[in-house]
Amino acid sequence: QSALTQPPSASGSPGQSVTISCTGTNSDVGGYNYVSWYQQHPGKAPKFMIYEVSKRPSGVPDRFSGSKSGNTASLTVSGLQAEDEADYYCNSYAGGNNWIFGGGTKLTVL
Amino acid sequence: QVQLRESGPGLVKPSQTLSLSCIVSGGSISSGTDYWSWVRQHPGEGLEWIGYIYYSGRTYYNPSLRSRVSISVDASKNQFSLKLNSVTAADTAVYYCARAGDLFYYSGYLLPSGFDSWGQGTLVTVSS
Repeated sequence: QSALTQPPSASGSPGQSVTISCTGTNSDVGGYNYVSWYQQHPGKAPKFMIYEVSKRPSGVPDRFSGSKSGNTASLTVSGLQAEDEADYYCNSYAGGNNWIFGGGTKLTVL
Repeated sequence: QVQLRESGPGLVKPSQTLSLSCIVSGGSISSGTDYWSWVRQHPGEGLEWIGYIYYSGRTYYNPSLRSRVSISVDASKNQFSLKLNSVTAADTAVYYCARAGDLFYYSGYLLPSGFDSWGQGTLVTVSS
């Protein structure tokens, strides 16, 4: 199975908004509303940020939001802050109790 | 708050078996509310789901690794384990254990909402 497609990098200035895309197929992203997003700072474990496309776990700031259209899911970070600089990974259900991650996007806060 | 910690050899020889354990604290593996997962990250690359196990012993694996991987659970020790056999240099990665919780039923499968708690990860290098 192939990884979901994410842009290698994204950037924005403090206070701005940035959107990271995650493209799959009808067999994963497009077929189910079970997309989640993870934030990973260098040398650290991933952190759970979004689930079921657009829901936020307790404690995640509402600056983080998710959406989906067709085979592409998106993570938007509004009001960028320095601590948002990290790698972001999407994950999607692919049927049969199988899960696929994206290749990751490095978000830089300029 | 649940915490997970991986342990195991940091160096494995090619063709041998990689074995890791994950001890869970602050929660019970036997609660039936979670899957217990392994995820790996090749150096400088993205995440790869390896598989997970339910407390009953039911397992699900990444199809690309299914022929070489085995995940087991020891409820008495509140830990679960990963075995990956016939390793090559391509299996060099940071291995994370994670809880996949908030389970729900979909189309006959019990699925997690996401991987909500992670261990700190352990680097395993495959080299002679």
